[in-house]
Amino acid sequence: QVQLVQSGAEVKKPGASVKLSCKASGYTFTSYYIHWVRQAPGQGLEWMGIINPGGGSTSYAQKFQGRVTMTRDTSTSTVYMDLSSLRSEDTALYYCAKSNHLTVVPTDAYYFDSWGQGTLVTVSS
Amino acid sequence: SYELTQPPSVSVSPGQTARITCSGDTLPKKYAYWYQQKSGLAPVLVIYEDSKRPSGIPERFSGSSSGTMATLTISGAQVEDEADYYCYSTDSSGNHRGLFGGGTKLTVL
Repeated sequence: QVQLVQSGAEVKKPGASVKLSCKASGYTFTSYYIHWVRQAPGQGLEWMGIINPGGGSTSYAQKFQGRVTMTRDTSTSTVYMDLSSLRSEDTALYYCAKSNHLTVVPTDAYYFDSWGQGTLVTVSS
Repeated sequence: SYELTQPPSVSVSPGQTARITCSGDTLPKKYAYWYQQKSGLAPVLVIYEDSKRPSGIPERFSGSSSGTMATLTISGAQVEDEADYYCYSTDSSGNHRGLFGGGTKLTVL
């Protein structure tokens, strides 16, 4: 069965960076996109970006351009999300999510069919 | 940048029909998706491609889209349907960029 297992909670100071991981199993890692979605306490879901685990190409929400970097390691079926220049507003639960569209099919009609358990990132001085 | 706009809250009595709207300029060209999120849990897909229901989702959940507005309808809402609901769609950049609506808290009581 498909599983996305995320790294543990992080506490960071303002201005620091954080690197989260999301290890996939149960399917062909390079065949399906992975997204990152975050949710601040008591707030809504926020789409951050997408990575093609096959070729490594990425696309980020405009809000995070210049601060976020998504990478992957195909040898371990793991996707990483690096967020820099952290501020208190970045305190949130960060999810990775697999979408159902194949990386070789040019479509943007997709949905999230599996989610990680979430990683809580707390930014505090 | 574009936005998806949802009402912050909708309230119905059990057995009534709940309608949650999502408006956005790209919706005439892009599909809408609906996710249900209960407290402390990851979101669950309840409607995809405007009106399709995933297996395992009760028939009382339905979706529609017309022009710049998509609607999630819960016919005969149950107490267990009380949750936050988010619409999701993609922009027109062709880069798979996505966006969630602000979310709607559905209260059934």
